[in-house]
Amino acid sequence: DAGVIQSPRHEVTEMGQEVTLRCKPISGHDYLFWYRQTMMRGLELLIYFNNNVPIDDSGMPEDRFSAKMPNASFSTLKIQPSEPRDSAVYFCASSFYLSGNTIYFGEGSWLTVV
Amino acid sequence: KNEVEQSPQNLTAQEGEFITINCSYSVGISALHWLQQHPGGGIVSLFMLSSGKKKHGRLIATINIQEKHSSLHITASHPRDSAVYICAVRYNNNDMRFGAGTRLTVKP
Repeated sequence: DAGVIQSPRHEVTEMGQEVTLRCKPISGHDYLFWYRQTMMRGLELLIYFNNNVPIDDSGMPEDRFSAKMPNASFSTLKIQPSEPRDSAVYFCASSFYLSGNTIYFGEGSWLTVV
Repeated sequence: KNEVEQSPQNLTAQEGEFITINCSYSVGISALHWLQQHPGGGIVSLFMLSSGKKKHGRLIATINIQEKHSSLHITASHPRDSAVYICAVRYNNNDMRFGAGTRLTVKP
């Protein structure tokens, strides 16, 4: 398997624009996670899905952020409208089980909002 | 206050030295992960622990559930071990928290 695939790897956008980050989890994994990493706050869990259903979105910072998982092989994280403070690295990860398995991370999407 | 405390924040070692990175957490957990983030930014999961000890090559991870503490050890450290090591815990309510990371530099 190619691992967790994220796109784009790098995105630079202007404040107010919509940003869509994409993720393809490892085939067969039941759980998909979205994380955000910043210098100030480190790594944070934003939301996770089980079998395409959002389970916990308490980490999503505000209504400008939304995530979907229309099928087992694809998820999106959308920011609309984007703000400079959203600049961060966004990681997608997947695993077989919630607590008992290794989490496999994508390479990350580096977002800069100017 | 971060619920997951790592120490040290920064660590510089000479090649060959034995390295220990510590992680403490506050309440009951279902799992603890040690992650490695290389300078390029990619994150690799090193270990997932719920009890005891695991070993993979030169890396050893231990966890003491009663003391709410885990350690990551690197034996015979090498410059390629230079990275940020992050402790992540999943609490019993499935909430997940991350330590601030330990930046390790191994000099040749």
